Formats: sequence, structure tokens, C-alpha cells
Amino acid sequence: NAGVTQTPKFRILKIGQSMTLQCAQDMNHNYMYWYRQDPGMGLKLIYYSVGAGITDKGEVPNGYNVSRSTTEYFPLRLELAAPSQTSVYFCASSLKDRSNQPQHFGDGTRLSIL
Amino acid sequence: QQQVKQSPQSLIVQKGGISIINCAYENTAFDYFPWYQQFPGKGPALLIAIRPDVSEKKEGRFTISFNKSAKQFSLHIMDSQPGDSATYFCAASMYDFNKFYFGSGTKLNVKP
Repeated sequence: NAGVTQTPKFRILKIGQSMTLQCAQDMNHNYMYWYRQDPGMGLKLIYYSVGAGITDKGEVPNGYNVSRSTTEYFPLRLELAAPSQTSVYFCASSLKDRSNQPQHFGDGTRLSIL
Repeated sequence: QQQVKQSPQSLIVQKGGISIINCAYENTAFDYFPWYQQFPGKGPALLIAIRPDVSEKKEGRFTISFNKSAKQFSLHIMDSQPGDSATYFCAASMYDFNKFYFGSGTKLNVKP
């Protein structure tokens, strides 16, 4: 059981570069999320998706883009990386059925922008 | 506006002691309250969760106490062990949106 898989685990970017953080889940979950976690802080929602083809903004969407063409994949795109985007990024998924279900998290991508 | 407020920010407990972490919320539409445990270098993992129709849920050494009228809930770790040293997050969500609002986290250090 892979669960939620994130790649890469670590990355260093230069200011102005772009990159895509990959996220895949094999649990057939309909909901997927991207969070960022800054040191000593909680999780802030960047974007989320309720199903293939449907995405919506979270608390801190500026500077990011997402797409969801399939149930399994939910990549996060950083355009024109800025030092303020240095963070740990977590992807999560959950199954929405008759009741709330917990989120399952990947192990994160640690991103430094210099 | 922070939807879920968590305290304390850090906690040091002796082995065998009780660790208590508190959370408070404002939105009465929340209907699911999970706690997550996060070890360094890993993503948060679900520890225990409660729905507002019960006042307490216990799983092993971990207990959630829920006070609906006060809009507060807390995590109690009995007989705390060094292996419990981690960061703990409370969260809240509502069925209609399935968005989760996380507390700011509590870093627990259990000393041997």
C-alpha cells in the first residue's frame, strides 16, 4: 500500500525558476489537497480538489497552480519561485462519502528557494 | 481568522506522566475533530478522531475529551513515553465542505 506518494523529497530552486511538485495516491480518494507547513506553524491549505477536473483555492493560493486530470494525480506548480515559498509541502487525500473521513498525508517535499 | 486555536505550543512531560493538549474552535458547523501525530521528516498521520455526538473517545493511551458547549476538545496521552515525542495537530472539518482547519501544533517532548 503506497498511500500518498510525493516527489521529489528535497529540492533547491533559484529565485524565478519554476517547478512541479508531484503527488499521487492509490486509494481512489476523490478529494486531494496541497498544504504548506512553515517552521513552528500549522498547515495552510494552498489548493484542493473534489474530483478530477475540479480544483479550488485554499487560504494561500498566490504563486501556485494546480491541475487534476485524473483521480490519482494532483500536481502543484510553482511559477517564478520566490524566497517566501521556502517551505515543506504536503499533499493529502481523503474519501468523502456519507461522513467525514480523515486525510492521509504524504511525507512531504522540502523546498528551499535561494 | 484562525478557525482552530491550539495550546500549548510546546510541552515537556516526564516518562509516565500525562500529556494534555487543548484546542478551541468557533464554528459550530464543525462535525469532525481529528488529531494528527507528526514525526520529524514525515507527514501527519491520523491518531484519533471524534464526532460531536460523544464527549469522550479512548484508544489505548490516547483519549479525546470533547466539550460541545464550550467548543473545546483536548487530547490526553496517558503514561507518556519517549516514543510519543512528536508534534501533535488538532483539526476540525465540516461534512459539507470536507476542508480541514488545523491548529498550529504542539511539540511534545517526553523525557526518559
